[in-house]
Amino acid sequence: GNSVTQMEGPVTLSEEAFLTINCTYTATGYPSLFWYVQYPGEGLQLLLKATKADDKGSNKGFEATYRKETTSFHLEKGSVQVSDSAVYFCALTSQFGNEKLTFGTGTRLTIIP
Amino acid sequence: DSGVTQTPKHLITATGQRVTLRCSPRSGDLSVYWYQQSLDQGLQFLIQYYNGEERAKGNILERFSAQQFPDLHSELNLSSLELGDSALYFCASSRGVGGNTEAFFGQGTRLTVV
Repeated sequence: GNSVTQMEGPVTLSEEAFLTINCTYTATGYPSLFWYVQYPGEGLQLLLKATKADDKGSNKGFEATYRKETTSFHLEKGSVQVSDSAVYFCALTSQFGNEKLTFGTGTRLTIIP
Repeated sequence: DSGVTQTPKHLITATGQRVTLRCSPRSGDLSVYWYQQSLDQGLQFLIQYYNGEERAKGNILERFSAQQFPDLHSELNLSSLELGDSALYFCASSRGVGGNTEAFFGQGTRLTVV
């Protein structure tokens, strides 16, 4: 079946540091890939997505590139802010069948001023 | 605000009881999904409805059931509750079908079974 493996947390960085959260997946064909963010006490919000190989999703300074050859979708941001502190989830939907999301375990990010 | 409304926000109940969680999807969205978020299992897909019909089923226990009504709102019924059912239950909705369809999540219902 489909699965998502993401970098274990928690991750603690200083403000303005460079961020990478690794995500790899297992799925047949060409799944769609997503990063969701969960701020404290809130639901999940879509941060960015990519639906085909070599696509780059970007939003709010975050970027991730769909790499079919390495089955990866790593999240990056050049300069993090305290307001980026949250839990980040990598997820996929299958190219085949229904639209359910398969999530990674989540990575808790804390940014220190 | 995602446009997906879940009620109640918090629920505390005793073991063996039954509860109903309610979800109103975004206007125009035909698909509704239910997910369970727990510390040990992470985010797990439970069930999906599309325009009133069950479209996909995940790791949903037999004690749990769901339905989508003609006005497209959905309810998740949890019965014979156990301590291990304590979790955050999310509803999400999307416009249609297809793997690249974006899902919008509600703020969740936190269920505590005591």
